[in-house]
Amino acid sequence: QSALTQPASVSGSPGQSITISCTGTSSDVGGYNYVSWYQQHPGKAPKLMIYDVNSRPSGISNRFSGSKSGNTASLSISGLQAEDEADYYCSSFTSSNTVVFGGGTKLTVL
Amino acid sequence: EVQLVESGGGLVQPGGSLRLSCAASGFTFGIYWMSWVRQAPGKGLEWVANIKEDGSEKYYVDSVKGRFTISRDNTKNSLYLQMNSLRAEDTAVYYCARARPGLYFDYWGQGTLVTVSS
Repeated sequence: QSALTQPASVSGSPGQSITISCTGTSSDVGGYNYVSWYQQHPGKAPKLMIYDVNSRPSGISNRFSGSKSGNTASLSISGLQAEDEADYYCSSFTSSNTVVFGGGTKLTVL
Repeated sequence: EVQLVESGGGLVQPGGSLRLSCAASGFTFGIYWMSWVRQAPGKGLEWVANIKEDGSEKYYVDSVKGRFTISRDNTKNSLYLQMNSLRAEDTAVYYCARARPGLYFDYWGQGTLVTVSS
């Protein structure tokens, strides 16, 4: 049950695009199309942004998109806005019928 | 409107016990897997436990196996986490979350803080 690997921080200017990676193993990210992404603002509960690798819940902007290649999943955000500044976490279903999260990535909008 | 409201957090001494509750409303509680996820101060999210719709299957992160027990009462629309033999490293905000197929979490509570300290 090792955590998925995410970069500690990423940054971008308003209007730009960024990508956050999430690397696991064949027992989690690579083995299932069950990767999800969460946004968390300080002091708030996490919010689901992407599920099943690339599906968006109702109400989530199409500026957010997800993808996966092998054992690495990615979250892309286009047209960065100030309110996108937050922590982002990936998670994956695992072969043990459990869940593993990434360590989190702090997104700074410059 | 889906709502998840946690309660039961607080300060407890190492080795002590605490029972967290999560009151669910706005959806048919008994047809969803449910989970607990925690977040230590200044740290990332950590999945803790899952329970199947009818309570027949339960899964735990290795660090809490044998110490924590997840349960539910579908007649009361409630989820529970019994935490025994608490350690300092269990200090965290504990979130209740509704799980969907593939174990992603579409709704979260506001969290309840558990502090383990002497």
